[in-house]
Amino acid sequence: SQQGEEDPQALSIQEGENATMNCSYKTSINNLQWYRQNSGRGLVHLILIRSNEREKHSGRLRVTLDTSKKSSSLLITASRAADTASYFCALMDSSYKLIFGSGTRLLVRP
Amino acid sequence: GAGVSQTPSNKVTEKGKYVELRCDPISGHTALYWYRQSLGQGPEFLIYFQGTGAADDSGLPNDRFFAVRPEGSVSTLKIQRTERGDSAVYLCASSPSGRVDEQFFGPGTRLTVL
Repeated sequence: SQQGEEDPQALSIQEGENATMNCSYKTSINNLQWYRQNSGRGLVHLILIRSNEREKHSGRLRVTLDTSKKSSSLLITASRAADTASYFCALMDSSYKLIFGSGTRLLVRP
Repeated sequence: GAGVSQTPSNKVTEKGKYVELRCDPISGHTALYWYRQSLGQGPEFLIYFQGTGAADDSGLPNDRFFAVRPEGSVSTLKIQRTERGDSAVYLCASSPSGRVDEQFFGPGTRLTVL
């Protein structure tokens, strides 16, 4: 299966701490994307990293991609209570559809 | 500008009934996607349109599920003879070209089959 597997399934941290979520996959990808979802409804795109890129930053977000290990990580620095949500990695191969992992549920305690 | 919209936001139906779920993509986006998300899981791909045609329908679980996009804009996901296992949130997304793009998601339709 191409599905991304995310680790941990759930993460609880104190406000101000950093949160790291990992995603592993099994096949070749065109790119890997991270999405956020609040309350089980609409997803919001956070960042896209292409297969020939190793690291990208966007505000407090840092994403790394290691295609040799078939893994990616999402780091949220200086977390806030408002960062509480579910975070999903999604793989895109040559078919242009997204294959999502099962997600990491992040709780940031005030 | 307006994002992706989906109607209805909630749909409750009885087992065996027919339902239609509607998606209005962002204006000008040529690619449209349908996903299904069960509780505690990530979205699962159903079908992808490029313009009016289904470019990839490999995710449709069986022939009770069908989707159309007749004018290359609005799309309707149709489910015949609904079953309790069809209960989920159905998400629609669109992207500018359907290539290496981010996808913009709608709020979803929560379908409950009693």
